[in-house]
Amino acid sequence: GENVEQHPSTLSVQEGDSAVIKCTYSDSASNYFPWYKQELGKRPQLIIDIRSNVGEKKDQRIAVTLNKTAKHFSLHITETQPEDSAVYFCAASNGPGGYNKLIFGAGTRLAVHP
Amino acid sequence: DAGVIQSPRHEVTEMGQEVTLRCKPISGHNSLFWYRQTMMRGLELLIYFNNNVPIDDSGMPEDRFSAKMPNASFSTLKIQPSEPRDSAVYFCASSSRDRGYEQYFGPGTRLTVT
Repeated sequence: GENVEQHPSTLSVQEGDSAVIKCTYSDSASNYFPWYKQELGKRPQLIIDIRSNVGEKKDQRIAVTLNKTAKHFSLHITETQPEDSAVYFCAASNGPGGYNKLIFGAGTRLAVHP
Repeated sequence: DAGVIQSPRHEVTEMGQEVTLRCKPISGHNSLFWYRQTMMRGLELLIYFNNNVPIDDSGMPEDRFSAKMPNASFSTLKIQPSEPRDSAVYFCASSSRDRGYEQYFGPGTRLTVT
């Protein structure tokens, strides 16, 4: 089955710096790659996603890139702010019939220091 | 929209007792997912339903766990008998084909088995 690996497990940056989180997946049939942000004690919330027919997607300070050949995708956060501090999860989907069974990475704990 | 609703938010029970977690998906969503989150194992998909039908329960850890979805607006996850290693946060999520299958998570139920 699908396996998603995520690196690094922890990331510490200064406010204003960029942060990059990388994920690799094993199933070449995966076609949907969302990123979730989870603040302490709260639920995971979708922040951006990308489908296999595009290589990059951007939304203000966050962007995601996808390399289907290498089977990896990355989250880029620019001009980081303290409120970006959270755990970020990548996921990949290869559910049958288009249904969205997500396999999550282990998470990256991002700390943004003022 | 009230979002995904889960109850109870916190549950403390003794080993051997039956535990029932409840979920009400977002109205109109046709897919429902049960996840378990622990520090050691991260976010794990336990089971998911499409149109009230269980599609994949390969993540259910053992026969002590069971899940039902009697109608489109209600699902339960039952643990009988509960064990201390079942202590975790259990999330329910729902998605809709019309919304591109983005999964919306509920607030979670924090289960502690003593």
